[in-house]
Amino acid sequence: DAGVTQSPTHLIKTRGQQVTLRCSPKSGHDTVSWYQQALGQGPQFIFQYYEEEERQRGNFPDRFSGHQFPNYSSELNVNALLLGDSALYLCASSLWGLSNQPQHFGDGTRLSIL
Amino acid sequence: GQQLNQSPQSMFIQEGEDVSMNCTSSSIFNTWLWYKQDPGEGPVLLIALYKAGELTSNGRLTAQFGITRKDSFLNISASIPSDVGIYFCAGQFSGGSNYKLTFGKGTLLTVNP
Repeated sequence: DAGVTQSPTHLIKTRGQQVTLRCSPKSGHDTVSWYQQALGQGPQFIFQYYEEEERQRGNFPDRFSGHQFPNYSSELNVNALLLGDSALYLCASSLWGLSNQPQHFGDGTRLSIL
Repeated sequence: GQQLNQSPQSMFIQEGEDVSMNCTSSSIFNTWLWYKQDPGEGPVLLIALYKAGELTSNGRLTAQFGITRKDSFLNISASIPSDVGIYFCAGQFSGGSNYKLTFGKGTLLTVNP
């Protein structure tokens, strides 16, 4: 039973570039949430996708966008990268609408902006 | 963004000692979760709490959901070297898995063999 998988594991970009991160949810899950974890901080919620639509969004600018595919996998896109976007980006999956079902996390993509 | 108040920030203990950490919020949550994160990995769920006053154990770990719904604590008994890592609390406004998690800043635990 595959857990949440993310790719790539590491990425180096320069300011102003664009990046796409990918996530495959745990088998049987249909909802994907994205979090940004800066060094020394807890994860911060970016947004969540279900049925290929953005359902909730945290306090992140429009430079952060996403997509969900029919197979439930998801992408996180960040445009016009800033130095402050350097962080670990975590994907979590869950099953929509069920109570008492916690989110399961992948190991993240470490993004470094030079 | 909002983060929960988690304390202590770090702990350095001897193997075999008990550990206690807690988390407080200015907002009410309906679900409290405790995760552990090792270097280079994502958070792994340790304990989930869904009712105010609930006390739940998972092996040597015990966590409680505060009566006010604004706090939670995690205890680890008889610590071992593999307990080393960062422990995060997280609150959720609903028990539904689709609601966002709000995290604390973490407690870094070091265990001296």
